[in-house]
This record gives sequence, structure tokens and C-alpha cells, in this order.
Amino acid sequence: EAGVAQSPRYKIIEKRQSVAFWCNPISGHATLYWYQQILGQGPKLLIQFQNNGVVDDSQLPKDRFSAERLKGVDSTLKIQPAKLEDSAVYLCASSPSGSRVGNTIYFGEGSWLTVV
Amino acid sequence: TQLLEQSPQFLSIQEGENLTVYCNSSSVFSSLQWYRQEPGEGPVLLVTVVTGGEVKKLKRLTFQFGDARKDSSLHITAAQPGDTGLYLCAGASNYQLIWGAGTKLIIKP
Repeated sequence: EAGVAQSPRYKIIEKRQSVAFWCNPISGHATLYWYQQILGQGPKLLIQFQNNGVVDDSQLPKDRFSAERLKGVDSTLKIQPAKLEDSAVYLCASSPSGSRVGNTIYFGEGSWLTVV
Repeated sequence: TQLLEQSPQFLSIQEGENLTVYCNSSSVFSSLQWYRQEPGEGPVLLVTVVTGGEVKKLKRLTFQFGDARKDSSLHITAAQPGDTGLYLCAGASNYQLIWGAGTKLIIKP
């Protein structure tokens, strides 16, 4: 079974530039998550999709971050304009159904962003 | 705001030693998960505990969920260099997953 695919793996941009990350979840998984993980910290949920609808985006900085999952499969996360504090690993994850107790979440390898 | 506090933040020990890491909260969780994250990779689920007082074993790793479902511990027996990584706990509550900041574990050969 193929895992969660993310690209690009690494990206270095200057502040105020834009960047986009792509994620393809495990086939058949209805729930897709984008997390931000700053070095030395645990993952912070940015947005959670159930199929193509948004379940939780309460911690997404909407003035600069946007995400979409138009066909309920793959997803893109965009940052525009980037700030130095956005330097982090952006983890995409998926699960068969996000609301079940003890549900397993499968993570991709992450997209490492450095803003200089 | 629900918080999960993990301790210690960092632990470096010799191969063969035992260790315990803790995950504590003032909130009750319906379940709690432990993940291991290796450098350059995403977190990988190790175990999910659901019932208060539950103990689960995964080879040399023993996971316990507190009776009140507010805390959990991970005990590693005879640690090996392959156990090196970031150990994260995550509690499920109200269909959300609350994450700890992690314990960075280094096992020296």
C-alpha cells in the first residue's frame, strides 16, 4: 500500500515569496490533515479536511496560509507571503475517518521549508 | 486550552539502560496515542490506549494509560540505539488530537 506522498521535500525561499506544497493521501482515506512542526516541538494542526470539506481550520493563519482539497483526494497548502517564522516542516497526514476514537493517522515524510 | 506536557524534553542514555517518559494533562482523553518520529521522517504510530489503567506492550516498550485517562507513560527496557528518536504523545478529545511537544531520546552505543 502506497503511503502519503508529499512534494517538494525541501524548499528554501526568501521572506515575502510564496510557496506551495502538495499532498496525495493514502487511497480511500477520507480525512486529510496539514500540520506544521517547528524544530523541537510537536505537530500543530493547521487544517483538517473530511473529503473536500473543511472540518477544522481554527489554527490556520488565514491572512497568509490557504489550503484546498478540491476533488476530495489530493491537497495543496500555500503560503503567501512567507515570513521567517514559517520555517518548519509541513506534514501531511491522512486517516480513513478522522472522528473515530483511536483512529490511526498516517503521516508523509514532510516538506521542509526554510525562509531566509 | 487543553495541554499535554511531556517529560523529560530530552534524554540521553547508554545502550542497555531502562527509561520512562511521561505524558501528563489536566484534561481527560478518550484515547491516547504514542508516536515515534525519526529525523527526516513523519511520526509513526506505535500504540493507542483507550481504557483507563490499560497497559500495552510492544516488544521492549510498555505503554500505560492512567486510571483517570489524563496521563500516560512509556517505559523502554534495555534501550537500543535503534530506539533513538522523538517520542510524541497525542490525546484524542472532542474529535481533536492534542499533541505533546515530544521527548527527544538518544541511545548511545
